[in-house]
Amino acid sequence: AQSVTQPDIHITVSEGASLELRCNYSYGATPYLFWYVQSPGQGLQLLLKYFSGDTLVQGIKGFEAEFKRSQSSFNLRKPSVHWSDAAEYFCAAGAGSQGNLIFGKGTKLSVKP
Amino acid sequence: AAGVIQSPRHLIKEKRETATLKCYPIPRHDTVYWYQQGPGQDPQFLISFYEKMQSDKGSIPDRFSAQQFSDYHSELNMSSLELGDSALYFCASSARSSGQGAYGYTFGSGTRLTVV
Repeated sequence: AQSVTQPDIHITVSEGASLELRCNYSYGATPYLFWYVQSPGQGLQLLLKYFSGDTLVQGIKGFEAEFKRSQSSFNLRKPSVHWSDAAEYFCAAGAGSQGNLIFGKGTKLSVKP
Repeated sequence: AAGVIQSPRHLIKEKRETATLKCYPIPRHDTVYWYQQGPGQDPQFLISFYEKMQSDKGSIPDRFSAQQFSDYHSELNMSSLELGDSALYFCASSARSSGQGAYGYTFGSGTRLTVV
């Protein structure tokens, strides 16, 4: 069955430190891959997406993600975290022509001063 | 730029009542998706429509129905509401004819439904 796994439920980093959020997918073929961020009670904001081509994808707010086919991973990174980055982060994937997405369970990011 | 509009933003209903959520996609987007996000949960795909026809179906309860109208807006109808239906309901739209196809998503801000 198709699935998206985010192994870390909760991560705490210090402001200014680097960040890496993990995402693994299980699909028959390489799916389309997305990272979304959600603040409490708010909507889903797209950070970046991978469709094809360059495996290092740049997104908004200084985030980037690297697609690694051999590891079925699409990890999100940021070199220096800001307090405003504290939120829930969802990795999502989709395949086929229908367009529906499967989301991971999310990783909650806390930022300490 | 125009975004996906959902109404209402908040809705409070009692058990066994009905609710109707509305979604207005971005102009010229032909596909609408509905997702349900329970408290502390990840979004779950419910149903989608392409050119006013049901395209795909996910974990949508039989008590729920949806449709896409001639102007491409969509409505999610929920009957016999249960406490467990309390969630954030997201609509998204895309243009399959565009370069990114069905996955060129834009999400709306969501409707928060509280069933008491």
